[in-house]
Amino acid sequence: SAVISQKPSRDICQRGTSLTIQCQVDSQVTMMFWYRQQPGQSLTLIATANQGSEATYESGFVIDKFPISRPNLTFSTLTVSNMSPEDSSIYLCSLRVGNGELFFGEGSRLTVL
Amino acid sequence: GESVGLHLPTLSVQEGDNSIINCAYSNSASDYFIWYKQESGKGPQFIIDIRSNMDKRQGQRVTVLLNKTVKHLSLQIAATQPGDSAVYFCAETFNDYKLSFGAGTTVTVRA
Repeated sequence: SAVISQKPSRDICQRGTSLTIQCQVDSQVTMMFWYRQQPGQSLTLIATANQGSEATYESGFVIDKFPISRPNLTFSTLTVSNMSPEDSSIYLCSLRVGNGELFFGEGSRLTVL
Repeated sequence: GESVGLHLPTLSVQEGDNSIINCAYSNSASDYFIWYKQESGKGPQFIIDIRSNMDKRQGQRVTVLLNKTVKHLSLQIAATQPGDSAVYFCAETFNDYKLSFGAGTTVTVRA
């Protein structure tokens, strides 16, 4: 198993601002994943973050809007840039352990006014 | 694109009864499937998984069934308890890489 800590757990932001979400893991992992969960919806993969390389973004998500950092094997950040109300979502950090299980953090609940 | 979907968005179950949550997947190449439970205000929690070389896997009060012929996955919860009330997601992946999630089924347990 793994312990994943996300900060902030929730925030209310103004339109046009940016927010950086932090994800700290208690063990070293190669691949970390960032998901978005819009209100009442399922989870959608934003990008895969590998340590030492650029993040790989899924269709519909771009680096300018969701820049990701992965400075070491236990930490990653996701920034939601130039926010609009449509960005109001839960943003979830996740990682895969050796047997294939994907663990999730508790999520960062973002409301954009 | 390929996607995973759920047959029913909501399920109401009497406490003590068994629950069955269904999931249809469309990618015949998917080889690993996971069920997650998400309680209100929390992140998804792993329940049980199954690989494509199996048809059935049992855990504590939960059983996952995989029918590759019709690309169908189900989660059975025995003796449903109030704490089982949550949204349940199935997810699929190929080669243990990216997970694709279904729409989710909201399970409500009646006392």
